[in-house]
Order: sequence, then structure tokens, then C-alpha cells
Amino acid sequence: SAVISQKPSRDICQRGTSLTIQCQVDSQVTMMFWYRQQPGQSLTLIATANQGSEATYESGFVIDKFPISRPNLTFSTLTVSNMSPEDSSIYLCSAGLAGDTQYFGPGTRLTVL
Amino acid sequence: AQSVTQLDSQVPVFEEAPVELRCNYSSSVSVYLFWYVQYPNQGLQLLLKYLSGSTLVKGINGFEAEFNKSQTSFHLRKPSVHISDTAEYFCAVIYNQGGKLIFGQGTELSVKP
Repeated sequence: SAVISQKPSRDICQRGTSLTIQCQVDSQVTMMFWYRQQPGQSLTLIATANQGSEATYESGFVIDKFPISRPNLTFSTLTVSNMSPEDSSIYLCSAGLAGDTQYFGPGTRLTVL
Repeated sequence: AQSVTQLDSQVPVFEEAPVELRCNYSSSVSVYLFWYVQYPNQGLQLLLKYLSGSTLVKGINGFEAEFNKSQTSFHLRKPSVHISDTAEYFCAVIYNQGGKLIFGQGTELSVKP
């Protein structure tokens, strides 16, 4: 299994600002993903973080709003840009091997005022 | 379209009673199936998974699930629940050996004394 940590665990931000969330995995994994969980909802995949290349975004999510980096096999960042109150959610990082279990970080609880 | 349906949004049950949480997925040549649990204000924890082999899968905390290909189902069961099982449960599927998880809407299990 993989242990995943995220920073920050929570933040309160002002409208129009940006926040970068970090995700660190304790072992080398092939796949890393970013999800959003809106209040009382299920998880929605934002994008697949690809090592050394641009992330692959799901429908409804764009790079300008959610830029993602993955400089190596164990680390990724997600930035939520030009935030609005609608971006208030829990953001979760997951990681694992292709076609196998994904392990999840504890999440980052974001509130935008 | 690939989708996952959890038929019950909320399941109230008394302590020590049996419980079944239902999950159906859209038909596909190849699926990997997972159940995750999310306790309040925490990330997701893997309960169990089906990748291949025996269709009856046992997981942590006394949970088990059965893969039924003909009915495209992967229902989660526990013969006797505890108060501590109160949480949100998510069924998730990887289709065609891809990497990304597709989640169901979640089922809130509420165990009452």
C-alpha cells in the first residue's frame, strides 16, 4: 500500500486568490489523480497527473483553472486559481499502480469567502 | 457511458443487524471493483477490492462483497454492524484496465443503538 500526505489540510481563502495543494506519496507509483468532493457529494475526477508532461483533464475542468504539476513519481501539486465560493470543496489526491488500488490522501478542505 | 450506481443514498440500521449496500455498474468487458469508506472529516479508506479470481471478496472490518457479472453488481455486506461502522461508503470501478476510478454517489450508513 501507499501512504499519501497532503498539505495544507484546510484553508480559508479570499475570492480571486489562488491556492496550491501538495500531495506526497511514500513510494513510487505510476498513477496520481486529483479529485474534488463538494459538500455532501461523491468524488469527481479533476485530472490525471502525468509525470513530466501536461495533466489529462476531465470534461468540465481546464488547465487555466486547475493547473497541475507532477515533477517526479511521488509528488504532485494542484492549484485552484482565481477562486470563487463555488470552489469550496474537499480536494483529494490519490495514487496507485495502473489497474490496481488507488490510495487516498486525507484531503484538503477549502473554504472560499 | 461508464457509470456506477449506488441504489440507496441512506441506509439506517440497528446495531448488530445485517446490512447490504447495493452497487451496480455499467456493463463492460473488463472491470475492477472497489469499495471505500469515508469517516467524517477523513479521507477514503479501502475496504475491499475485486480484480480477478474468486467472486466473493472479504475485506477489513468484517465486510465482504460479491462480484456478479450477469447482474453487473458488486453489493457490500456485513452480517452484524457496529456503531463504529457509521460512515459514507463509496463503490468505485476501473473500466477496461484503465487507471481512473469512477465513483458511485455514495451510501450513508447510519447505525443506531
